[in-house]
Amino acid sequence: DIVMTQFPDSLAVSLGERATINCKSSQTVLYSPNNKNYLAWYQQKPGQSPKLLIFWASTRESGVPDRFSGSGSGTDFTLTISSLQAEDVAVYYCQQYFGTPETFGQGTKVEIK
Amino acid sequence: EVQLVESGGGLVQPGGSLRLSCAASGFTFSSYWMSWVRQAPGKGLEWVANIKPDGSDKYYVDSVKGRFTISRDNAKNSLYLQMNSLTVEDTAVYYCARGAYASPRDCWGQGTLVTVSS
Repeated sequence: DIVMTQFPDSLAVSLGERATINCKSSQTVLYSPNNKNYLAWYQQKPGQSPKLLIFWASTRESGVPDRFSGSGSGTDFTLTISSLQAEDVAVYYCQQYFGTPETFGQGTKVEIK
Repeated sequence: EVQLVESGGGLVQPGGSLRLSCAASGFTFSSYWMSWVRQAPGKGLEWVANIKPDGSDKYYVDSVKGRFTISRDNAKNSLYLQMNSLTVEDTAVYYCARGAYASPRDCWGQGTLVTVSS
C-alpha cells in the first residue's frame, strides 16, 4: 500500500498570511505515460463532509478560490493557501488514487493564530 | 444539483450486521464509479470500497474483505454497503462518494454514523 504522510499535523497562521501543507507518498504517484500525478487535496470543515479542492496535484476543482494551489510531483506535494481566510479553518487531507487501496494522509489541521 | 444521501447507520452489537444505502441524484449514476469512505470518531479518512459503473468490478480495503459487500442498483440510482461481522473498529461515519476510475472523489454525501458497541 502507498503510505501518505502529511506534515505538519497542525499549524496556526494569521489571517492574510500563507499556509503551507506538505504531503509525501511512500512511492511515486506519477504515471509516466500521461505525466499525471494521481494526487488530490480535500478540505473538511468541522461537522462537514470532505470537499475536493485540488486534483492531478495542481488542478483546482471548479468553484475553489484561487488562493488554494497545489504543486509537486512524484512523491512530494504541497498545498498552499496564499492568504488565509477565516473560512479556511479546516482539516486538509491529501489522497493518492494511483493505486488500490486509495490512501489518505493523516490530515493537517489549520487554525487561525 | 448533484446529491448523495446516505442512510441506514445506527447502533449495532459486535458480530452484527447493517446495510447502508446511498441515494444519488442530479447526475447519471450509472456512468460513475462509486465509493464508500469511512472516518472513525476524531480520526482521518479511510477508503473502504469501490464499485465499477456496471457493478462488475469491486475493490475493498483489506480490513473489510470477506465481511463487507458493496453493490449498486442503477435503476434505483442507489449504492449499498452490506456490513457483516462488525467489530468495534468499524465504528465510523460512512460516506458515499462519487468518482471516475482512477480519479478523485468529487462529490460526497453527508455521512451516516455506524456505532458498534455492546
